[in-house]
Amino acid sequence: AQTVTQSQPEMSVQEAETVTLSCTYDTSESDYYLFWYKQPPSRQMILVIRQEAYKQQNATENRFSVNFQKAAKSFSLKISDSQLGDAAMYFCAYRSYYGGSQGNLIFGKGTKLSVKP
Amino acid sequence: EAGVTQSPTHLIKTRGQQVTLRCSPISGHTSVYWYQQALGLGLQFLLWYDEGEERNRGNFPPRFSGRQFPNYSSELNVNALELEDSALYLCASSRWGYTFGSGTRLTVV
Repeated sequence: AQTVTQSQPEMSVQEAETVTLSCTYDTSESDYYLFWYKQPPSRQMILVIRQEAYKQQNATENRFSVNFQKAAKSFSLKISDSQLGDAAMYFCAYRSYYGGSQGNLIFGKGTKLSVKP
Repeated sequence: EAGVTQSPTHLIKTRGQQVTLRCSPISGHTSVYWYQQALGLGLQFLLWYDEGEERNRGNFPPRFSGRQFPNYSSELNVNALELEDSALYLCASSRWGYTFGSGTRLTVV
């Protein structure tokens, strides 16, 4: 079974600086998707970024980028120019590429990010 | 486009009671996923419905059940509520990507 591990329960960053959130996963599959979701106090889960395992290029969405290391099974999220609105819980998630009975997302336990003004 | 809607937003129940939570997916999404988010435990996968059928189930007891209707909306039923069922219950719908609702906060006293 696949597992997702986020080893940093809490992180803190100064406004306008850069922070990296860590995620590792375990799978025997070669094709899969990885995601980072943000959950602010409003509870709404918001997709931040998505990476297909077959793509070597790291995904980027504005100030958010990932460092995907397939061999190391590592998927870290870098937030540049941190803003107060980035304060939230961040969840790393895995999904099997082929869906089937494994079509659901598997989540890590999350990292709580605080942004200091 | 309307997002995923869940009702009710908050609920307080007594131990031993039964509860029904509801989820309406985004129009055109045929899959609905239910997750439990208990304090400090991240999101635990509960149930996945697609085209009216249960496709997968997480490691939860049988008192957690649900169904999906022809319009793809879904219900999650929890019988014989226990204190540890207190959690945020999130629903997500999917066609090619996942969109989450804002959840139902269930408190069992």
